[in-house]
Amino acid sequence: GAVVSQHPSWVICKSGTSVKIECRSLDFQATTMFWYRQFPKQSLMLMATSNEGSKATYEQGVEKDKFLINHASLTLSTLTVTSAHPEDSSFYICSAWGQGSNEQFFGPGTRLTVL
Amino acid sequence: AQKITQTQPGMFVQEKEAVTLDCTYDTSDPSYGLFWYKQPSSGEMIFLIYQGSYDQQNATEGRYSLNFQKARKSANLVISASQLGDSAMYFCAMREGLFGNEKLTFGTGTRLTIIP
Repeated sequence: GAVVSQHPSWVICKSGTSVKIECRSLDFQATTMFWYRQFPKQSLMLMATSNEGSKATYEQGVEKDKFLINHASLTLSTLTVTSAHPEDSSFYICSAWGQGSNEQFFGPGTRLTVL
Repeated sequence: AQKITQTQPGMFVQEKEAVTLDCTYDTSDPSYGLFWYKQPSSGEMIFLIYQGSYDQQNATEGRYSLNFQKARKSANLVISASQLGDSAMYFCAMREGLFGNEKLTFGTGTRLTIIP
């Protein structure tokens, strides 16, 4: 099956700093990538959808200036959490879709802890 | 209104028994897809099974089958002969539209614990 990686798998940062999370499709071209956030004991909530070469579409309630998404190539999307605060601590998961596929393929997730 | 409803926050099942995880959905789109994912404690999302709204037969994948009742808008996951490794969170999800690049909406999940 298709493989999606995320880096880093976990990160701890100080409040006020910015953190970048990478999502890569390793063996297919990802036309569309999705970013989800999952708080402890909760479900996955879609944050934004990004198509390669286009601006991301953010879900209602997600601050686009705080969660910067870049999908500059068919194999890489990045999520930057700017000026992170403790309430941004969460599990961030990306998924990727390529032409001809019926499903999205999920990355292993990144656990962010903001102190 | 919730688009995906999972009413069982937690379930305990004896090893080797079959288990049914409930999922109901709500959509006015005639074209949609239903998914089940397993999420172990490591956090990765593992795809289990898919059912399209126009599929005539219930989907099956090994020990997993999807009991699709379109009129009732339910898509229950059935796991036969449960194993200790089946202990995990299980999420039902829906995609409105039949293209893979449509967004997924997830239910709140069911935590399944298999008892030896």
